Amino acid sequence: DVKVTQSSRYLVKRTGEKVFLECVQDMDHENMFWYRQDPGLGLRLIYFSYDVKMKEKGDIPEGYSVSREKKERFSLILESASTNQTSMYLCASKTGGDYGYTFGSGTRLTVV
Amino acid sequence: SQQGEEDPQALSIQEGENATMNCSYKTSINNLQWYRQNSGRGLVHLILIRSNEREKHSGRLRVTLDTSKKSSSLLITASRAADTASYFCATRKAAGNKLTFGGGTRVLVKP
Repeated sequence: DVKVTQSSRYLVKRTGEKVFLECVQDMDHENMFWYRQDPGLGLRLIYFSYDVKMKEKGDIPEGYSVSREKKERFSLILESASTNQTSMYLCASKTGGDYGYTFGSGTRLTVV
Repeated sequence: SQQGEEDPQALSIQEGENATMNCSYKTSINNLQWYRQNSGRGLVHLILIRSNEREKHSGRLRVTLDTSKKSSSLLITASRAADTASYFCATRKAAGNKLTFGGGTRVLVKP
């Protein structure tokens, strides 16, 4: 089974800190995605990547950046964390074609 | 704005009953997918239906797709307490690999 591993289940960070959320998948998938999930707003796409060093903005990229130096790893970076970035962050990957996403377990980030 | 909108937002049923939830979307799609999320966890892919398919089954799950009405339904038959979760539809447009998710339906199956 494909595994998508997010490095932390829970994180508490201070306002203004630089925050790194790491995601690793073990099945050589080309596509990787970062979503955030908030009550009443559902899942919203932050960034995605089709290949190493490739990145595309999603629907809500402001305040975030990403890095994909290796195929298996897709990092989400909060350049200067703010309280409105308190959320559940979900990483996902998929291969090409008509297949579903495989999600990680999520990282619940609290910015205080 | 969300591409998919689920209805109802919440559903409470007794174990053994069927659960039906609906999803409507706005633009043409390549495929539509359903996911389950247990409380506080990641999403799990359940089933994918392509735009040229009308119905698909997987175990106790039945999905229909009506592209003329831009809607889909997910039926869970003979529900179990373990089916308690939130269910999301997600649509993939013709170009690209992005999925757009709806707000989800919370299902409570009472023993």
